[in-house]
Amino acid sequence: DQQVKQNSPSLSVQEGRISILNCDYTNSMFDYFLWYKKYPAEGPTFLISISSIKDKNEDGRFTVFLNKSAKHLSLHIVPSQPGDSAVYFCAASERGSGGSNYKLTFGKGTLLTVNP
Amino acid sequence: NAGVTQTPKFQVLKTGQSMTLQCAQDMNHEYMSWYRQDPGMGLRLIHYSVGAGITDQGEVPNGYNVSRSTTEDFPLRLLSAAPSQTSVYFCASSYGAGLAKNIQYFGAGTRLSVL
Repeated sequence: DQQVKQNSPSLSVQEGRISILNCDYTNSMFDYFLWYKKYPAEGPTFLISISSIKDKNEDGRFTVFLNKSAKHLSLHIVPSQPGDSAVYFCAASERGSGGSNYKLTFGKGTLLTVNP
Repeated sequence: NAGVTQTPKFQVLKTGQSMTLQCAQDMNHEYMSWYRQDPGMGLRLIHYSVGAGITDQGEVPNGYNVSRSTTEDFPLRLLSAAPSQTSVYFCASSYGAGLAKNIQYFGAGTRLSVL
């Protein structure tokens, strides 16, 4: 049973436009959400995160929105650049013992292609 | 700034062989973990450790062993390699406490083929 779902395997946008990547989750105990970016032959790199007590977090061109009632989050990239072309993973964690969230559950990823 | 270092980058094994994937971090992180990435499957947690001497199983632990004798190192052992273990393996680490507790930093990966 997939607890974190990224239903779009791929997304193609034009340079300068907005990219919106979506993620749904089923586990109501998740309280921290992250987006990772991965280039071929490299490890995933952290992009942006959001706690369940917030509904929006912004960092430069990247904004993550969280809708807890819908168990949905999205990553907005504005404006999109060709260098943003990569696989984007949504990940989530729930509060573990001792108050520390240790384990991440990942979605399958969305391949973003930004065309010049 | 080495971060998380994985060796080797590539490895080819024959069915039944054993090997150890090495992972080292120089950030004094408490938490370390191993994931495997298969096509269309995302990253799945194999084993993790919340500190030296403490390890636990993740989602797909069968066929793998781990130990954590130091804060810096977290090797992953394949006891008897099987073709189903052909995958890309990533090691990750994080502080394990505070606001940055869940931001895991990944190594570049080890691409393993089992024939």
